[in-house]
Amino acid sequence: DVKVTQSSRYLVKRTGEKVFLECVQDMDHENMFWYRQDPGLGLRLIYFSYDVKMKEKGDIPEGYSVSREKKERFSLILESASTNQTSMYLCASNRASGRDNEQFFGPGTRLTVL
Amino acid sequence: GENVEQHPSTLSVQEGDSAVIKCTYSDSASNYFPWYKQELGKRPQLIIDIRSNVGEKKDQRIAVTLNKTAKHFSLHITETQPEDSAVYFCAASRGGNTGFQKLVFGTGTRLLVSP
Repeated sequence: DVKVTQSSRYLVKRTGEKVFLECVQDMDHENMFWYRQDPGLGLRLIYFSYDVKMKEKGDIPEGYSVSREKKERFSLILESASTNQTSMYLCASNRASGRDNEQFFGPGTRLTVL
Repeated sequence: GENVEQHPSTLSVQEGDSAVIKCTYSDSASNYFPWYKQELGKRPQLIIDIRSNVGEKKDQRIAVTLNKTAKHFSLHITETQPEDSAVYFCAASRGGNTGFQKLVFGTGTRLLVSP
C-alpha cells in the first residue's frame, strides 16, 4: 500500500519566517511533486522532481524552493513566508516508468501565515 | 502551456440521478487524462483515467469519454449515491508512456448528492 506522509497537518507561521514542509514516500517512486490547493483554483504545481537532486519549476514556483537529497524525501521551502502563501500544500509521488501514471497524494499541510 | 477548464464548479443532484462533469484542454499534444476525487478533509485519489488512443472507458458506475477533435473529456457518474459527494478534479498531461507527466488540473467540481 503506497504511503505518502507529510510532516505536519497544520502549521502556523509568521510573515518573514523560513518554513520547511517535508514529504516522505515509501514506494521507491522516482517522481515527486508539490502542489498548493486554493478554493476555486484547483491544484497548482509548484515544483517537481524526477530524481535525487533534480528539480523542475512548476507553474507557480515564485517564493518557493525545493530540496531532494534522498529518493524518498522531497522538501518544500518558503524562504520568507508571506500571507499570500497561506494555503493547503499537497505532496504527491508516482513511478517514472510503465503505464501506471497514478499520482499518490499525501494528507496535506494547511499552512497559515500571520 | 496547457490550460484545463472544468465545469460546472458545483453540481447538486438527487440520489439515483446521473452527474456529468466536463473539461476542456488546450494542448493538442496532451494524451493522458485522469480524474481525481477528493472527499472532505481527505487527499485526492485517482478514480479513473483515459489515454488518447481510446474514446471511452468505464468502471462500474463511472465512465470517462474523450473527444480529441474538440479537445474535451467528461466524467459520467450513474446512479449517484451520497458517498459520491466530493470534489472532482480533471487533469491533462502529455507524458506519454514514460510515466513522467506534469499534470495540469482543472479547478474542481463540488458534487453534492442528496438522499
